Amino acid sequence: DAGITQSPRHKVTETGTPVTLRCHQTENHRYMYWYRQDPGHGLRLIHYSYGVKDTDKGEVSDGYSVSRSKTEDFLLTLESATSSQTSVYFCASSGLAGSTDTQYFGPGTRLTVL
Amino acid sequence: GENVEQHPSTLSVQEGDSAVIKCTYSDSASNYFPWYKQELGKGPQLIIDIRSNVGEKKDQRIAVTLNKTAKHFSLHITETQPEDSAVYFCAASINKAAGNKLTFGGGTRVLVKP
Repeated sequence: DAGITQSPRHKVTETGTPVTLRCHQTENHRYMYWYRQDPGHGLRLIHYSYGVKDTDKGEVSDGYSVSRSKTEDFLLTLESATSSQTSVYFCASSGLAGSTDTQYFGPGTRLTVL
Repeated sequence: GENVEQHPSTLSVQEGDSAVIKCTYSDSASNYFPWYKQELGKGPQLIIDIRSNVGEKKDQRIAVTLNKTAKHFSLHITETQPEDSAVYFCAASINKAAGNKLTFGGGTRVLVKP
């Protein structure tokens, strides 16, 4: 398995507070992704990165921002958390030489917004 | 954008029987179709994938078929075992140099009864 870690693994916060989730990979992958998982919706793409400082929006990007200052780290920020952002967040990475397809997922962060 | 429908949402099979999960996609330009298995409390893990230039792919007890004309693809698990119990997700994407934006189906919860 690719070396992808996420921190924190669990977080409870209050509405209106800022939250930052961290994804760290040790595979030197070029591409990194943030998804959220909610019952009945599978996984939905929030934002992704195709290189250092190169990011773009996914399907459900409203209320989220991202940053990638180093190849190995991809941060997801909720500027002002809302209850609708209660979810499980997964980071993924891909981009071994010769293949950009296979995405390897981290263990997830369970976020609860009260 | 792409839309992926997955059926059934739950599937219960007797150990040793076969399990079939079906997905349809909407964007005829999609060219990459992975299947992920997710165990409780863990991130999704790729089990098999297929590209649009291939009609079928097999890996031991797992096979995937793709019908580009009908825009559907299926996962077949033969000789099911209790450890096959998990949630399975199909996905579709258009592989581009700027990254691989996966659109996931809603998931199928598979229970293999001993």
